This record gives sequence, C-alpha cells and structure tokens, in this order.
Amino acid sequence: GAVVSQHPSWVICKSGTSVKIECRSLDFQATTMFWYRQFPKQSLMLMATSNEGSKATYEQGVEKDKFLINHASLTLSTLTVTSAHPEDSSFYICSARATGGGDTGELFFGEGSRLTVL
Amino acid sequence: GQNIDQPTEMTATEGAIVQINCTYQTSGFNGLFWYQQHAGEAPTFLSYNVLDGLEEKGRFSSFLSRSKGYSYLLLKELQMKDSASYLCAVTDSNYQLIWGAGTKLIIKP
Repeated sequence: GAVVSQHPSWVICKSGTSVKIECRSLDFQATTMFWYRQFPKQSLMLMATSNEGSKATYEQGVEKDKFLINHASLTLSTLTVTSAHPEDSSFYICSARATGGGDTGELFFGEGSRLTVL
Repeated sequence: GQNIDQPTEMTATEGAIVQINCTYQTSGFNGLFWYQQHAGEAPTFLSYNVLDGLEEKGRFSSFLSRSKGYSYLLLKELQMKDSASYLCAVTDSNYQLIWGAGTKLIIKP
C-alpha cells in the first residue's frame, strides 16, 4: 500500500520555541494532506486540511497563526507549531489521500510525531 | 449535525469473537472505514465498506447497512495483539472523514 512518512517521530522542545513536522508521501502524489492532533485516550481531531499550492483550511478553534501549514509540493506538507507551550504537547498525525481515479477516500497515515513542550 | 457513535470500551477473551458496533448520522455517505490504532501509534487501515453487506478479510470482517446507518467490525479468534482502539470513520458527501471516538478493546487471556 501507499506509504506516508512523518518526521520527527519524537521531539522535545522548550516553551516558546517553534517545531516543524514533515509529512511526505513516498510513493504517490497527494493533492490533499490532513493534520490531526490526538490527546491521550481521545480520538483523532482534525486540525486542518492542507492543499497543494493553496492555503490550508483550518478547523474551527485551531489557530492558523500558531499552526502553520505549508504544502509546497505534491509529496510534502509541513506543520510548524510556533511559540509552542506545554498545552501543545500532543501526538500529531498526518495523512494523505492519493490523487487520481478510483479514489475511495482512503487515507494513508504517517507514523505520528509526539511533541513534548517543557 | 454529524455524529458517529461506538462503545467506549469492550473486553473479550483470547480466542473468542467480538463485535464492535458503529452507528452514524452524516451529511451524505461515501463509505465507512475501520482503523486499528495501538497506543502511541498512528491508525492502520482495516476495512472499507461502501455497499451494504459483509466484507471479510482474514480474521476481521466488516458489515454495513446504509439504511440503518450502522456498521460493525467482527474480530474472530482474538489474539492478545488485537488489544487496541478501533476507530470507525465515515466519509460524507464532501469526502471528508468524520471520526468516531474509538472503541478500546481489551483482550484477556
């Protein structure tokens, strides 16, 4: 199946710093990528939809100036958590939907990135 | 509004069978997914149903009834490694995925 790679898997940073997380589709082109956040024992929460070549669409309650999303190519989307605070500590997961015909809507997930802000 | 319901937690015995139910109310329907998620890991795809009926894949089967807004995931011959959360997700008319909160399945020896 399709492979989505996410990096880094783990990151620890100091409060006030910025952290960038990369999401790459390795063997397919992804017009659309999704960024999720998951707190312990909770389900996935969609943060934003990243569209190649255009601005991301953010879900209600997600600060677009804090969570910067860039989708500069069909195989790479990045999420930058700016001025991170301890409450931003979470598991961030990206997913991608393959382009082309026969799209069932199936998502392929990255491995996830666990962010801990001290 | 859009809503997906599934039990919060279920317990089953190794070697047994368990059925995890999911009911949904969404704006349109373009398919239902089941994902498995182990703690600390990203979800992995299990099944996809878009037509009514049963889809079987090894020890896992998934059923869909669109008229009832209902699906279930059936796990047979349970193994300890099946202990995980199982997420039901529905694709609405805009192909946006609506996620259930997940069902934590605990397998006991």
